[in-house]
Amino acid sequence: AQSVTQLDSQVPVFEEAPVELRCNYSSSVSVYLFWYVQYPNQGLQLLLKYLSGSTLVKGINGFEAEFNKSQTSFHLRKPSVHISDTAEYFCAVSQTGGFKTIFGAGTRLFVKA
Amino acid sequence: SAVISQKPSRDICQRGTSLTIQCQVDSQVTMMFWYRQQPGQSLTLIATANQGSEATYESGFVIDKFPISRPNLTFSTLTVSNMSPEDSSIYLCSVGLAGAGETQYFGPGTRLLVL
Repeated sequence: AQSVTQLDSQVPVFEEAPVELRCNYSSSVSVYLFWYVQYPNQGLQLLLKYLSGSTLVKGINGFEAEFNKSQTSFHLRKPSVHISDTAEYFCAVSQTGGFKTIFGAGTRLFVKA
Repeated sequence: SAVISQKPSRDICQRGTSLTIQCQVDSQVTMMFWYRQQPGQSLTLIATANQGSEATYESGFVIDKFPISRPNLTFSTLTVSNMSPEDSSIYLCSVGLAGAGETQYFGPGTRLLVL
């Protein structure tokens, strides 16, 4: 079975500052890793995903994440955030070859002017 | 990717009643899922909607409470039956696209408040 831990429930940050949202997972099998964003009153939108290959994955809106197998982490980063990045961010994991996805508890990113 | 719509977008219901939520996809997909997101919480998978057969429910969810239909490859419904205030949640439909790393794409959600 897989599990996902998002280490921060809330992250306040000033506009144009860098941010890192932390995610750790546990699994006994190979996994795919995802980050989704949920803007207020909207559904989830895929930010980026790691399937295989390069451990540094680039996504939409200037976000990137790095897969670290030894530390079982998949932290999300952005070098300079905007007010519009204020949202809930979910890390998720699924077993390779399967659709069943386990979501973390979410991290609320709040960008202040 | 896929474009997914849900109806209704939100509703306020009285306890003891039932609400049916519709999910429509703009293309044929194999995998469709229903999730629940309780206030301030993460997503919990309710069931996988199977076309032409009964849905596959996750632990803690039963067909009598959450009956699901999937008459074709682009449409599904979830009914929340005999509602109580504890059913107040966002209900999300998602589809899975094979060959894309089993990525899921989500509808906008249905926001349900039970009084």
